[in-house]
Amino acid sequence: LAKTTQPISMDSYEGQEVNITCSHNNIATNDYITWYQQFPSQGPRFIIQGYKTKVTNEVASLFIPADRKSSTLSLPRVSLSDTAVYYCLVGPDYNTDKLIFGTGTRLQVFP
Amino acid sequence: NAGVMQNPRHLVRRRGQEARLRCSPMKGHSHVYWYRQLPEEGLKFMVYLQKENIIDESGMPKERFSAEFPKEGPSILRIQQVVRGDSAAYFCASSPAPGQDEKLFFGSGTQLSVL
Repeated sequence: LAKTTQPISMDSYEGQEVNITCSHNNIATNDYITWYQQFPSQGPRFIIQGYKTKVTNEVASLFIPADRKSSTLSLPRVSLSDTAVYYCLVGPDYNTDKLIFGTGTRLQVFP
Repeated sequence: NAGVMQNPRHLVRRRGQEARLRCSPMKGHSHVYWYRQLPEEGLKFMVYLQKENIIDESGMPKERFSAEFPKEGPSILRIQQVVRGDSAAYFCASSPAPGQDEKLFFGSGTQLSVL
């Protein structure tokens, strides 16, 4: 099961671009990379998913290099409401399909 | 367009009582995950079920905890003889089917407090 490593926390200011990088050195060939956002007292919410290169939606962009051993979630022009915990997931597990969350990155956006 | 529904939102139990947490997946979803989260920590996988079948329960304590997802009705996470250490937020997520591009849809969670 591919393990992920993310920074524990990051600080930013409103209007800035935030990039959160996730390392997944033993990612498997069939694994997708998925990012979730979690606000306090709420369940996580799907943000973006990718397999390789770049994916962009209305919320974020996901950059995945050719070796796929890392990925970067990019949040353009963050606002106070982007303060949350961001989780990077790789998988699901090929044998059991379960999805394992890491410790996530706590993003704090300041005015 | 109902999402994943969990109830109750808050549950208070005294030590030794039973806690039953319910999760109704999104319409058309046949797979359910349960996660536990302690304050300031990440989500810890507990169990993965499809209707009438437990696929993976490797994250669930062997004693006092059980889960089911019957053919009809919600998925139930049951904790017998609760202890203070069971106090946590319990989140349920559903997905339409397993796959490498699987996306999870989460409920709002049940906050269990054991007195």
